[in-house]
Amino acid sequence: GQNIDQPTEMTATEGAIVQINCTYQTSGFNGLFWYQQHAGEAPTFLSYNVLDGLEEKGRFSSFLSRSKGYSYLLLKELQMKDSASYLCAIMDSNYQLIWGAGTKLIIKP
Amino acid sequence: GAVVSQHPSWVICKSGTSVKIECRSLDFQATTMFWYRQFPKQSLMLMATSNEGSKATYEQGVEKDKFLINHASLTLSTLTVTSAHPEDSSFYICSASGQGLDHQPQHFGDGTRLSIL
Repeated sequence: GQNIDQPTEMTATEGAIVQINCTYQTSGFNGLFWYQQHAGEAPTFLSYNVLDGLEEKGRFSSFLSRSKGYSYLLLKELQMKDSASYLCAIMDSNYQLIWGAGTKLIIKP
Repeated sequence: GAVVSQHPSWVICKSGTSVKIECRSLDFQATTMFWYRQFPKQSLMLMATSNEGSKATYEQGVEKDKFLINHASLTLSTLTVTSAHPEDSSFYICSASGQGLDHQPQHFGDGTRLSIL
């Protein structure tokens, strides 16, 4: 079966660093995506990994290990506006996106 | 580039009313469009996938006669919620994918919040 696991909720402090993990088991793999979704809004694209390693984009970085079925999203210098849900999604062998349930990130001053 | 426009953004209507939601790709040809539903504090749930000019493929448990999807052109797909009831109240989001776009597999509209009284 297809399965994507990520923590339901995390709390972090403004200015700090937080790592959101995602583990997966899917039928085939054509890339892993991270999206940010603020309450009441549509998801917005953050990052894409298809090869092992770290992709850095400003304050956000995403890591992938295909052999371990594991990814993380690293957020640095946290700001209050980073409070949102973070969705991990896998593109499977049929090029369909399989979505995780999302991690709600709460930033405290 | 790759902008998806979804309209309306918010609908409130009486039970039994049919509601149409439009999803347009403004600057690219959307070969495939996706319709999602999201209940409060839950993840995105894919309802159906539609390819231009062909019938939509519905996910298990989604009633095709209740949620009518039309993908008549490469830039427009519509979702009609027929005879809507309070349990259909949700956040509906469309997304689109096309050829030659960036790494983003799907570009999302802003969503439609549907409230049935």
